[in-house]
Amino acid sequence: NAGVTQTPKFQVLKTGQSMTLQCAQDMNHNSMYWYRQDPGMGLRLIYYSASEGTTDKGEVPNGYNVSRLNKREFSLRLESAAPSQTSVYFCASSESGYNQPQHFGDGTRLSIL
Amino acid sequence: GENVEQHPSTLSVQEGDSAVIKCTYSDSASNYFPWYKQELGKRPQLIIDIRSNVGEKKDQRIAVTLNKTAKHFSLHITETQPEDSAVYFCAASTEQAGTALIFGKGTTLSVSS
Repeated sequence: NAGVTQTPKFQVLKTGQSMTLQCAQDMNHNSMYWYRQDPGMGLRLIYYSASEGTTDKGEVPNGYNVSRLNKREFSLRLESAAPSQTSVYFCASSESGYNQPQHFGDGTRLSIL
Repeated sequence: GENVEQHPSTLSVQEGDSAVIKCTYSDSASNYFPWYKQELGKRPQLIIDIRSNVGEKKDQRIAVTLNKTAKHFSLHITETQPEDSAVYFCAASTEQAGTALIFGKGTTLSVSS
């Protein structure tokens, strides 16, 4: 039982390049999330998907798009990477509804030069 | 929207002392409050959570208290050990954020032996 799996673990991009971060969970969870973590800023929500077929913006959605491919997979796309998007990206999942604990992946460390 | 404030940002204690981290939230409708521990370079992991119908919850050396009237909740770690050194995040769940969590900015706890 792998939990939440993120790929890749590390990536370096040049400004203007595009990239998709992949996330998959094997816990049969309905809800999935993308966060970014920057020093001193905590975890900030980029987008989330409450259930298959729905996506909603979080606190910092600009410059990102998401796709809930199926119940297991939730991808995050940077269409034209900018240095300000250098961060550690975490995917998480939870069962469904409100008031549920979230389970995190190991993160993707992304540097944009 | 919901705002979660966390204090202090850093906390240094001697092994065996107690540590207390406090969080306040703004949305009186929030009703789920988890705490996550993140070791350096690792994923955030849930250590304890509390729901609004409970005032206190304990799990071995860790306890969380909730004061809904004052809109604050706290994490208490007793008999601290060097392996408790990590960044701790509080979070709140509110219907305004859908199924998502709003995180505080984190507290870096250092336990010296």
